[in-house]
Amino acid sequence: EPEVTQTPSHQVTQMGQEVILRCVPISNHLYFYWYRQILGQKVEFLVSFYNNEISEKSEIFDDQFSVERPDGSNFTLKIRSTKLEDSAMYFCASERARGELFFGEGSRLTVL
Amino acid sequence: AQSVAQPEDQVKVAEGNPLTVKCTYSVSGNPYLFWYVQYPNRGLQFLLKYITGDNLVKGSYGFEAEFNKSQTSFHLKKPSALVSDSALYFCAVSASGGSYIPTFGRGTSLIVHP
Repeated sequence: EPEVTQTPSHQVTQMGQEVILRCVPISNHLYFYWYRQILGQKVEFLVSFYNNEISEKSEIFDDQFSVERPDGSNFTLKIRSTKLEDSAMYFCASERARGELFFGEGSRLTVL
Repeated sequence: AQSVAQPEDQVKVAEGNPLTVKCTYSVSGNPYLFWYVQYPNRGLQFLLKYITGDNLVKGSYGFEAEFNKSQTSFHLKKPSALVSDSALYFCAVSASGGSYIPTFGRGTSLIVHP
């Protein structure tokens, strides 16, 4: 069965550094998402992406965040200047049908 | 704004007993409701969804959920729990006429003991 793949699985960075998290969604899916989860708790929506542009974003997704799909396959989340509170598990997901999201294994970001 | 409440942080059941994980929702318009499961150090996996039709929906791994419009609930159930069902369960909601983005609850840890 096709799956969503994410890299890196774990990244440790210093506060203020830029981080890029990568995702390869399932190829015939059209909607893509980034969510984050802090300490195994609530899963928070960050941004959705459709037709090569952001379709919706949350209050968390401020100017420090950006998303791209540069080559039609990879889907990236960039955090320009990381803060301690950005430490979380970041999940990429692609959508097969309304609400049926396929999640990747996640990228754990630790900001020191 | 749409929201989901999972009133129990943890549910413990014995293997072989029925289990229920509770979820209530708040949404403008007709709800689309979902359950996901998360095993340790893994991503969320889709279990089942309610869009319209029969209030009892069946999903993966023998799970089912019952939509109750008057109580705005969508409880997850399984007739006979397995130890391997132990995981974190998330309820999610989106709205037919509003934001299609699924909003997730805080999750309920299900522990099935032998």
